[in-house]
Amino acid sequence: DAKTTQPPSMDCAEGRAANLPCNHSTISGNEYVYWYRQIHSQGPQYIIHGLKNNETNEMASLIITEDRKSSTLILPHATLRDTAVYYCIVRVPNQAGTALIFGKGTTLSVSS
Amino acid sequence: EADIYQTPRYLVIGTGKKITLECSQTMGHDKMYWYQQDPGMELHLIHYSYGVNSTEKGDLSSESTVSRIRTEHFPLTLESARPSHTSQYLCASSDFYTDTQYFGPGTRLTVL
Repeated sequence: DAKTTQPPSMDCAEGRAANLPCNHSTISGNEYVYWYRQIHSQGPQYIIHGLKNNETNEMASLIITEDRKSSTLILPHATLRDTAVYYCIVRVPNQAGTALIFGKGTTLSVSS
Repeated sequence: EADIYQTPRYLVIGTGKKITLECSQTMGHDKMYWYQQDPGMELHLIHYSYGVNSTEKGDLSSESTVSRIRTEHFPLTLESARPSHTSQYLCASSDFYTDTQYFGPGTRLTVL
């Protein structure tokens, strides 16, 4: 699986958009970008994933650059409950013998 | 919300005891996983299963064992608990088509 690089921490004011970057310059053509988050030692929560097109769901938007070497997770209106560690993971879905590799992620702190 | 359950949520037990951590999912997922996470540290995969009667060891060596007799059930057993086993254990299952993993709430184990 390709390696990802994320900033260790970010701050965001409540109600503003939170933009979390991720670099994955060695991503291969069949690897997807997945985002998860973990709120204070709870089980990680799936947020969104994509291959090359931008994606949006009820939680967030995922913007993937045209060369696919980086992506940005956007929480459009951050709330205090969005304070969590956010993980960017790239992998080939259903590849035998592999599983999610959680790095250190980005700790997002949302304040009022 | 995903339908994946773990019991107990918290367990404090003495050294040498045999314990079984339960994990069940009602989504019909073939793939299930066990991760271990120490406080403030990364998640590490310790076991996974691709279906009934299939079990594999993960990236992190663990003295625990798992079984998969039914699709919905993936218990983890420690034959003789030791203080070094103190950690949080997270169970997950994944959808085959998207490979999205859904996590349970975790079991926080303390071995005295």
